[in-house]
Amino acid sequence: DTGVSQDPRHKITKRGQNVTFRCDPISEHNRLYWYRQTLGQGPEFLTYFQNEAQLEKSRLLSDRFSAERPKGSFSTLEIQRTEQGDSAMYLCASSLFDEQFFGPGTRLTVL
Amino acid sequence: DQQVKQNSPSLSVQEGRISILNCDYTNSMFDYFLWYKKYPAEGPTFLISISSIKDKNEDGRFTVFLNKSAKHLSLHIVPSQPGDSAVYFCAASAGYGGSQGNLIFGKGTKLSVKP
Repeated sequence: DTGVSQDPRHKITKRGQNVTFRCDPISEHNRLYWYRQTLGQGPEFLTYFQNEAQLEKSRLLSDRFSAERPKGSFSTLEIQRTEQGDSAMYLCASSLFDEQFFGPGTRLTVL
Repeated sequence: DQQVKQNSPSLSVQEGRISILNCDYTNSMFDYFLWYKKYPAEGPTFLISISSIKDKNEDGRFTVFLNKSAKHLSLHIVPSQPGDSAVYFCAASAGYGGSQGNLIFGKGTKLSVKP
């Protein structure tokens, strides 16, 4: 399967802990996106990379959030000092042209 | 304020009949629209898209119609099958296609197709 992969699929953490998620895009895709989805809502855009450059960040991405794509391939999303409000599904997508293809997501639960 | 609205949280149709899912948007700068299907515990799966220069795009059983003057688009599924049961999201983008990032999604419509 050469689709977008995300790791881990589920993460349970205690409030105040740091967590890091990984996304591996489709290999030839140069654009990579992070979204967050909460219950009853559609995905909400967080940030976007073209190759290794982070080109856009949403206001949703507070100072506790940081994303990297060091070699223009995989990406990591780190949340520091997690809060209960961070509990959500974190989705990664990649694209070469217009359509974005999503991974299965990482479900984060902050206790 | 939501820029992409899917006003029907759920829709139930009989197998073999037509399913029509609706989506309204408010931002006149949107020029590219996409539909995604999502099963529980999976990421959204791309279905079909349409550029603002077109008013219709068809792919097999799926057709998307765009009415720019009304800022309205719809997804038609004919014939509907039980495997189509999922949550359908409408998404929109301003700029060049969807590749500029920042897809704006609606809240989704849960489609149930009954045998």
